[in-house]
Formats: sequence, structure tokens, C-alpha cells
Amino acid sequence: NAGVTQTPKFQVLKTGQSMTLQCAQDMNHEYMSWYRQDPGMGLRLIHYSVGAGITDQGEVPNGYNVSRSTTEDFPLRLLSAAPSQTSVYFCASSYGTGTGANVLTFGAGSRLTVL
Amino acid sequence: AQSVTQLGSHVSVSEGALVLLRCNYSSSVPPYLFWYVQYPNQGLQLLLKYTSAATLVKGINGFEAEFKKSETSFHLTKPSAHMSDAAEYFCAVSDLMWGTSYGKLTFGQGTILTVHP
Repeated sequence: NAGVTQTPKFQVLKTGQSMTLQCAQDMNHEYMSWYRQDPGMGLRLIHYSVGAGITDQGEVPNGYNVSRSTTEDFPLRLLSAAPSQTSVYFCASSYGTGTGANVLTFGAGSRLTVL
Repeated sequence: AQSVTQLGSHVSVSEGALVLLRCNYSSSVPPYLFWYVQYPNQGLQLLLKYTSAATLVKGINGFEAEFKKSETSFHLTKPSAHMSDAAEYFCAVSDLMWGTSYGKLTFGQGTILTVHP
């Protein structure tokens, strides 16, 4: 099993450019989420999904779009990149109820730099 | 809203010494609590979780954490540090307002553990 796969691992963008961070999981997990990690701030939830076709905003959704057309894929789109979006992005998945739903399997991360 | 505070952004210990990483949470309802570990250039992985079944929770690699409701704390400990424990550790709490919470966690700021020979 590959688990949660994120691409690309590294990306450099110029301000105003758009791009998509890809996330795929092969565990048939219902729930998927995107977090960003910034030094001294831990991880903050950007968007999450409870199933195909259902997404919702997290704590820091501005400047990002998501969609979930299949159970496996949950891409994160940056509409017009800004330097404040320089960060490490993690995709995560989980399933079940109670604590099971919160035992997240994380991808290896995508490091994004916006110049 | 839930919040998590980790006291100390950096903790340094000698190999063989006690590891103590502090975590305090705020929650209006009994929470689910977690410790995750992140090794350099990797994603996070679960270290242990509190599910209300027992206040002392044992995790992987010899770590354990004790839930203390009166102190709203969930501190992580390990009796004897090993060089391989060097990593960043995150305390997290789930938002139970939506029932199962769907994998939505609130994370603390993280504590970087350094282990000296």
C-alpha cells in the first residue's frame, strides 16, 4: 500500500501564479483533509472532505480551493499564489467514527515557496 | 473552539534522561486527545491517543501520556530518551461538535525534542 501520496514534493511559484497540489490515497478512507504547517504555529486545517462530492472549509481556507470527485483524490488549488502561502502542505486521510476518524494518515508533505 | 497549548517550543535532554513534553487543552466537552510525531522531512505519524477508556495511555517507542481532567493536561513522557527520539512532537485535540469530527484536529504549536549523547 502506498498510503497517502502527495505531489509535487517541492514547488517554487511567483506571486499571482496558480497551481494544484495533488493528493491521492489508496486505503478507501472516507475523510480527507489538507493542513499547512508553519514554524511555531503547528498544523492548521485548510479544507476537509467527508466523502466524494462533499467538502467544507477549515480554519484557514482563504486563497485555496478543493474538490473531491472520487474517494481517492483530493487536490488543493492555489488560485493566485501569495508569499503568505509559503508553507509545507500536508494531506491526510482517515475513516470510521470516534477516535478512528481522528487517527490521520499523513502524506510526506509538499513544500511550497512563493516569491 | 478547541485550543491546544504546548509549553516549550524546544526541549533538550541527554540520552537516557526523562522526556517530558507538556500539553494543555481547552475544551467544553470531554475531548479526544492525540500525540503525533514528525521525524525530519517526513509527515506526521500517530504516537498515541486518549479515548476515555483509561487515563494513562501507552504508545509506540516507549512513550506514554496521562490525561488529567482537573488540570486539562495531556503531558507526554518517556522514562529514558534515545537518540532516535529526536523529532518534533505535536499534541492535538478533536472537535467533537460534529459528532465524529471527520478527522478535523486542532494542533498545538509543536515541541522540538533534541537528544544529546
